[in-house]
Amino acid sequence: EIVLTQSPGTLSLSPGERATLSCRASQSVSSSKLAWHQQKPGQAPRLLIYDASSRATGIPDRFSGSGSGTDFTLTISRLEPEDFAVYYCQQYGTSPVTFGQGTKVEIK
Amino acid sequence: QVQLVQSGAEVKKPGASVKVSCKASGYTFSNYYMHWVRQAPGQGLEWVGIINPTTGNTVYAQKLQGRVTMTRDTSTSTVYMELSSLRFEDTAVYSCARGGVSGSNWGAGDYWGQGTLVTVSS
Repeated sequence: EIVLTQSPGTLSLSPGERATLSCRASQSVSSSKLAWHQQKPGQAPRLLIYDASSRATGIPDRFSGSGSGTDFTLTISRLEPEDFAVYYCQQYGTSPVTFGQGTKVEIK
Repeated sequence: QVQLVQSGAEVKKPGASVKVSCKASGYTFSNYYMHWVRQAPGQGLEWVGIINPTTGNTVYAQKLQGRVTMTRDTSTSTVYMELSSLRFEDTAVYSCARGGVSGSNWGAGDYWGQGTLVTVSS
């Protein structure tokens, strides 16, 4: 199975700063079928990015995704207070579907 | 609007089975795959499997093969996930998530149910 490794584990930033989250795959992700989800405590995950760089419906343009092959990045251009959460990458191009272990973005 | 509404929390003893439902509305049920994902307390997301509501075809995570069964009822737009021979480590929130268009790629999961807590306790 494809193992996704996210870094860093925790990112401590202030509102207004730029956040850069990394997701590295153990093998190439088929057709860039890589997504990013945001999860807040007690809530279901919310899809942010699919197919590596396409924003899901209703997602603000401060969220952007990039990458291909084995290296992917989620960038939040300017952090808003509601952006502090845990972020998971997910690949869905190869069975089984797998998730990264998550990156927590916390207020500094 | 797309909604996925799941059944309520369950408490089960080790060795028992649990069946969680996920009722879809706001879209054509048969047109989209449905994933199941679980999350143990304080842990990350783990994929359980996927069902094609059109054909009923399923693919399960290897570690749960033989214990998990996914089915669907097209008349009520509902998918079910049954997990048998429950163990303490199966304690988790189980969530359904709408996948991609049936017959295309599986998709990421663009709409999620509210989650169902399954607690395995003696």
